[in-house]
Amino acid sequence: QKEVEQDPGPLSVPEGAIVSLNCTYSNSAFQYFMWYRQYSRKGPELLMYTYSSGNKEDGRFTAQVDKSSKYISLFIRDSQPSDSATYLCATKRIGTASKLTFGTGTRLQVTL
Amino acid sequence: ETGVTQSPTHLIKTRGQQVTLRCSSQSGHNTVSWYQQALGQGPQFIFQYYREEENGRGNFPPRFSGLQFPNYSSELNVNALELDDSALYLCASSEEGTTEYFGPGTRLTVL
Repeated sequence: QKEVEQDPGPLSVPEGAIVSLNCTYSNSAFQYFMWYRQYSRKGPELLMYTYSSGNKEDGRFTAQVDKSSKYISLFIRDSQPSDSATYLCATKRIGTASKLTFGTGTRLQVTL
Repeated sequence: ETGVTQSPTHLIKTRGQQVTLRCSSQSGHNTVSWYQQALGQGPQFIFQYYREEENGRGNFPPRFSGLQFPNYSSELNVNALELDDSALYLCASSEEGTTEYFGPGTRLTVL
């Protein structure tokens, strides 16, 4: 079993839709949670970073963490064609030597 | 403030050859990590360097090695290339192991 599970999609939604992207993780030692956006053949770009359970909002993006159920989500409101990309969830433990553990990524297509 | 840069952008090698990939950290960052991303997969951790010392390593064989220089730039070396080494190699920098910021990656093709 992978430490971080993520549905690879692809997920296709019409412009303006609300998108929900989800990951589950298995290790309680994971304390930091990130969402990265990756356009085709580019490096991952950090979207959201959170430590605690609850919601964190940044513009059209909301990250949600539920540590009790080991479930993390990213919501995108009013989705745009420019949001079409692969979304990677990532987690890490506390500590300077801590690596990022990624899900496989969900490919999102926002259509006109 | 300059972001993370990587060179070269693309590289084609043949099986058995050696390759060196380079990374310049974001200004002020003293930690650099390298990841391998196969097509359709999430990035996999190779190793991390902190102040020129290896500070953690993933499940990769010893033919994957690295260096970090006093200016915090870094190299990833891969010896005896195999076909399965074909991937996007990502460098990420951070300050004291906090949030990691990625470069654009180097796409390596092994024929």
